[in-house]
Amino acid sequence: ETGVTQTPRHLVMGMTNKKSLKCEQHLGHNAMYWYKQSAKKPLELMFVYNFKEQTENNSVPSRFSPECPNSSHLFLHLHTLQPEDSALYLCASSQDRERRAGTQYFGPGTRLTVL
Amino acid sequence: GEDVEQSLFLSVREGDSSVINCTYTDSSSTYLYWYKQEPGAGLQLLTYIFSNMDMKQDQRLTVLLNKKDKHLSLRIADTQTGDSAIYFCAERGAGSYQLTFGKGTKLSVIP
Repeated sequence: ETGVTQTPRHLVMGMTNKKSLKCEQHLGHNAMYWYKQSAKKPLELMFVYNFKEQTENNSVPSRFSPECPNSSHLFLHLHTLQPEDSALYLCASSQDRERRAGTQYFGPGTRLTVL
Repeated sequence: GEDVEQSLFLSVREGDSSVINCTYTDSSSTYLYWYKQEPGAGLQLLTYIFSNMDMKQDQRLTVLLNKKDKHLSLRIADTQTGDSAIYFCAERGAGSYQLTFGKGTKLSVIP
């Protein structure tokens, strides 16, 4: 247990569906991240939030919409996805995005399949 | 952009030492990390090293950093079947919060 939880663990959705991924951290961290992990590709950073403010959007398509209501919770809202969006979506948190080692702690991920 | 390279596969016998290598291009790297990912799980932080260190040891794990050659290695002593996983190297540049990950090395331990 890393102190970062993600739900659901598995999700299958059609291209016209709308769904949301949830992440919660119990570590008292200030920064939260969404990553996409696809087969045979390096981990891709999608979004970064620091003190609830979005500070990074790495050219992610608008069909992915993040939301950070407070420092402990992070959502990823999904709509009209494509089959190539099928991947493992990982959430991470860190104490402060620029200080100290900035060590990121990861959740178990949501395995997303888009039909 | 910056790059982190790792070999994709490593196979060792149970009880032997494993050495997983990583090279990176960012000369301003401040911290370098090793993460472990077991099947169906997220990434678990194993250890990290600050760039002004050249070695860090933690029980069965030894991290060596050659900053001149931009080479990082992770040695696992007395490798066990439970060490079978994918190991990711990651680096963090100066003034940056982003981590750049390698593609991961899949370690297979043969009983």
